[in-house]
Amino acid sequence: QQPVQSPQAVILREGEDAVINCSSSKALYSVHWYRQKHGEAPVFLMILLKGGEQKGHEKISASFNEKKQQSSLYLTASQLSYSGTYFCGTASSGAGSYQLTFGKGTKLSVIP
Amino acid sequence: GAVVSQHPSWVICKSGTSVKIECRSLDFQATTMFWYRQFPKQSLMLMATSNEGSKATYEQGVEKDKFLINHASLTLSTLTVTSAHPEDSSFYICSARADYLYEQYFGPGTRLTVT
Repeated sequence: QQPVQSPQAVILREGEDAVINCSSSKALYSVHWYRQKHGEAPVFLMILLKGGEQKGHEKISASFNEKKQQSSLYLTASQLSYSGTYFCGTASSGAGSYQLTFGKGTKLSVIP
Repeated sequence: GAVVSQHPSWVICKSGTSVKIECRSLDFQATTMFWYRQFPKQSLMLMATSNEGSKATYEQGVEKDKFLINHASLTLSTLTVTSAHPEDSSFYICSARADYLYEQYFGPGTRLTVT
């Protein structure tokens, strides 16, 4: 079952923050975040595994609440290069399953 | 690290012909490769999962006789679209994962246009 992402689209000015949410009705084992620019392949950002962990890299971080089956991606002090469509991909089975179901995406536009 | 290539990056073919798309992991051995299809402004839809040396597992609704997948080595998987029709026109993307990783790395995609 496809995870639900919100918002569908967001426009930010450079330096502003954004949060993108991903929720599932199924028990999740892992959540994967990707960013895709127009006409290009998705680029891996980070993965969060069952255990309610939080990860971050510079100004992009994410959390995973396994009780609520939700993950959030946090973008702080956004840069023009952050523009693109963000997808969350979820894996519902255990450690042996690596198939991902992707949400519909959140289009992020960062303007000067 | 974790670079995946696809060839060709775009292809235009006539209706009824077959097209082969290659997906290669350049700096790691890909235990599993995945093939996705993406329509404009839509999400990634998994078509099939292939493990090296095994038959591919197709998602419901994907015709395995039309979309032939071969994963002959740990660095190469191919997708052949047989008897292509205009409705097969799409962006096809492969991804690969190594045995020691959970995450998938995507190739640059192949844009197929069937006329």
